[in-house]
Amino acid sequence: DTEVTQTPKHLVMGMTNKKSLKCEQHMGHRAMYWYKQKAKKPPELMFVYSYEKLSINESVPSRFSPECPNSSLLNLHLHALQPEDSALYLCASSQDRGTGTQPQHFGDGTRLSIL
Amino acid sequence: EDKVVQSPLSLVVHEGDTVTLNCSYEVTNFRSLLWYKQEKKAPTFLFMLTSSGIEKKSGRLSSILDKKELFSILNITATQTGDSAIYLCAVEGRNAGKSTFGDGTTLTVKP
Repeated sequence: DTEVTQTPKHLVMGMTNKKSLKCEQHMGHRAMYWYKQKAKKPPELMFVYSYEKLSINESVPSRFSPECPNSSLLNLHLHALQPEDSALYLCASSQDRGTGTQPQHFGDGTRLSIL
Repeated sequence: EDKVVQSPLSLVVHEGDTVTLNCSYEVTNFRSLLWYKQEKKAPTFLFMLTSSGIEKKSGRLSSILDKKELFSILNITATQTGDSAIYLCAVEGRNAGKSTFGDGTTLTVKP
């Protein structure tokens, strides 16, 4: 088990549904990340939060909406997704991106399937 | 745009062999290069190499960074079946926190 907890582990949803992915860490990290990973491909960065503020949005479609309610929690709200959005969604955290590179700690991911 | 190329894409060895995984990169304002190991789910951090730390070692794993030639290698000696995984190389440039990953090397260690 990792120190970054993601729920749910698996999610199947229709294209008209609204759902949320959740991520939690209690390591005192102040930077949190969402990645999308397709099969046999590397993680692709989607969003970065630093001190609960969105600092990087990699031109992600608006059907993905991130939220960082506090320093320990990160959500990804999903609405009107497309079949090509089916993937493993990874959350990660690191100490503080402002002071230079810090290794990221990844959760086990949510396996998302869009019907 | 930052770019990371890993080779080989896949590798099959037998227990006890030594393997060398390669990572070459192009990045604006290089900050660091990181190696991760991904088994079934979460990538786990192995090494971080920066201008001030170009060689790292932990047990049977070691890594070096050549900033002049823009590449890194990850060595694994006396491989074990538990080393079977995807090894990901990532670089971070001027935008702190934004890691660009290579496609990974899939290592299979047979008994």
